[in-house]
Amino acid sequence: KAGVTQTPRYLIKTRGQQVTLSCSPISGHRSVSWYQQTPGQGLQFLFEYFSETQRNKGNFPGRFSGRQFSNSRSEMNVSTLELGDSALYLCASSLGSGNTIYFGEGSWLTVV
Amino acid sequence: SQKIEQNSEALNIQEGKTATLTCNYTNYSPAYLQWYRQDPGRGPVFLLLIRENEKEKRKERLKVTFDTTLKQSLFHITASQPADSATYLCALVKTSGNTPLVFGKGTRLSVIA
Repeated sequence: KAGVTQTPRYLIKTRGQQVTLSCSPISGHRSVSWYQQTPGQGLQFLFEYFSETQRNKGNFPGRFSGRQFSNSRSEMNVSTLELGDSALYLCASSLGSGNTIYFGEGSWLTVV
Repeated sequence: SQKIEQNSEALNIQEGKTATLTCNYTNYSPAYLQWYRQDPGRGPVFLLLIRENEKEKRKERLKVTFDTTLKQSLFHITASQPADSATYLCALVKTSGNTPLVFGKGTRLSVIA
């Protein structure tokens, strides 16, 4: 059974640009969550989707958005990139409430 | 404000000893608490979950305790091995849902042979 797959693994963007990151959850998992990890702030929750609906949202500006498709795959988008957006973006999937969460390997974003 | 703190950024111990990591929280009433392991450049891997009505949970060489009065969880690795070297994260869930909303910054454990 394939794990959570995130693409791309590494990318470099310029300030002001926008970026889209993709996450394919484990087959059968309907819940997908996104996190940002930086050395200074640690792991911070961005948002959670379940069956195409955003169920929870963290404390991030509106430049950060996401969506989930009918096949449970999810994307997150960051517009008008800032240097401080450089981070490891992690996606996690699960069957739903009360079940184990599985993280992907993350997408390393560098903003220059 | 709600806060979750792990007692130290880094912890070094001798192989064979028991490693004890601490997770404290304030202004929070979690439904349950989870511990994860993260290796450099990789995503976190789920280790253990303990609910608010449970005092202790074990899995092989791992043991987790949860004291809702002290607002603290302890994570123990007995008979530690160099392969246990990693960053360990605790996370709190405030509802019955399982998605962690608040993570500690982690403790980097180094087991020295």
